[in-house]
Amino acid sequence: FMLTQPHSVSASPGKTVTISCTRSSGTIASNHVHWYQQRPGSAPAPVIYDDNQRPSGVPDRFSGSIDSSSNSASLTISDLKTEDEADYFCQSYDGNNHWVFGGGSKLTVL
Amino acid sequence: EVYLVESGGGLIQPGGSLRLSCSASRFPVNIHYMSWVRQAPGKGLEWVSALFSGGDRFYADSVKGRFTISRDNSKNTLYLQMNSLRVDDTAIYYCAKGVGFGFLSWFDPWGQGTLVTVSS
Repeated sequence: FMLTQPHSVSASPGKTVTISCTRSSGTIASNHVHWYQQRPGSAPAPVIYDDNQRPSGVPDRFSGSIDSSSNSASLTISDLKTEDEADYFCQSYDGNNHWVFGGGSKLTVL
Repeated sequence: EVYLVESGGGLIQPGGSLRLSCSASRFPVNIHYMSWVRQAPGKGLEWVSALFSGGDRFYADSVKGRFTISRDNSKNTLYLQMNSLRVDDTAIYYCAKGVGFGFLSWFDPWGQGTLVTVSS
């Protein structure tokens, strides 16, 4: 299956933005979805794991959810800051000994 | 804090071979689920290979039969032997530690990456 993300999203500082990750086949709830932030020139770092859990050190402005009706996962960032500008990738297990990443979404904080 | 440091990247001709290394600090690679993930220039992330604590090895279809993942417990280092390299293998290669159990795990931390360029 594929995980499809919007190529780009944007919002102003202080606002809220949501990035979607839609599973092409099978059910999104079959396996946990994880989210990574990648700032320019840096390695990815996790911001959400197991659909809606935040790693230690990640601010609670970051949250994750699953929507079975749209077969998608979402990453929501509230109270946007300029430092949130980055690429965001979702990831899940395909059930066949492979991990799958979404194509990534570039977040611009205007 | 745990660290991962990759090395071994460089410029290689199509059909050539290269071995990447990932040195781990402050945790033993042999009791964790370790992976290689790559990122082509300006592109997204692609999982490449994983080596589980029990020794099971897994590969993406795009590299199966050409790449081999291994580890040296005495050096606490993960490796990726890449043979029959192709132009589309050009990417930054990251190693990452799995958190959780098997394929249910997520990746943290990641190394800084090493660039592999396959070109004539």
